Amino acid sequence: SQTIHQWPATLVQPVGSPLSLECTVEGTSNPNLYWYRQAAGRGLQLLFYSVGIGQISSEVPQNLSASRPQDRQFILSSKKLLLSDSGFYLCAWSAKVPPYEQYFGPGTRLTVT
Amino acid sequence: SQELEQSPQSLIVQEGKNLTINCTSSKTLYGLYWYKQKYGEGLIFLMMLQKGGEEKSHEKITAKLDEKKQQSSLHITASQPSHAGIYLCGAEIQGAQKLVFGQGTRLTINP
Repeated sequence: SQTIHQWPATLVQPVGSPLSLECTVEGTSNPNLYWYRQAAGRGLQLLFYSVGIGQISSEVPQNLSASRPQDRQFILSSKKLLLSDSGFYLCAWSAKVPPYEQYFGPGTRLTVT
Repeated sequence: SQELEQSPQSLIVQEGKNLTINCTSSKTLYGLYWYKQKYGEGLIFLMMLQKGGEEKSHEKITAKLDEKKQQSSLHITASQPSHAGIYLCGAEIQGAQKLVFGQGTRLTINP
């Protein structure tokens, strides 16, 4: 069966510090991968998605970047965090053929102080 | 761009009561997904609807997609404390392998 991991689970970082969140998927190959941010009391905002190694689509211009160095690894990064980067970050995967239901990781709660 | 509006935004019901959550799209729905999220956790996939008039059930949760494929409803029968959480609907964006989500409905079940 497929499993998706995210780490760390929680993170407290000062403004201006770098960020690296990692997501890995097991049990499937060549998945689509997604990064979302969920602000308190709000829905999911798609940040990036990837259909293959090195292929990244950015949905919202911002202080973050994403990379996919391996087929089942997706990394969310920032060189300098802003207070507005605080939130709950979720990684998800889906197959490349319909239906495109997405399966989510446990999430990372980031607090920028 | 496609937008999803969920109603109500929050709902408090007494245990044992029935409830309905709605998800309305600004465009035709080609795939509608329902998820449940407990606070601080990831989303759990509940079910997916594609065809107009389609209805699916899982335990005490039933989801329907209307004939015009622009609205879906999620109905819970005889609610239990385990049903508490945030329910989100997500819709496929035509021609793209990604979803757009509603803002979520926070469900509280009072004993």
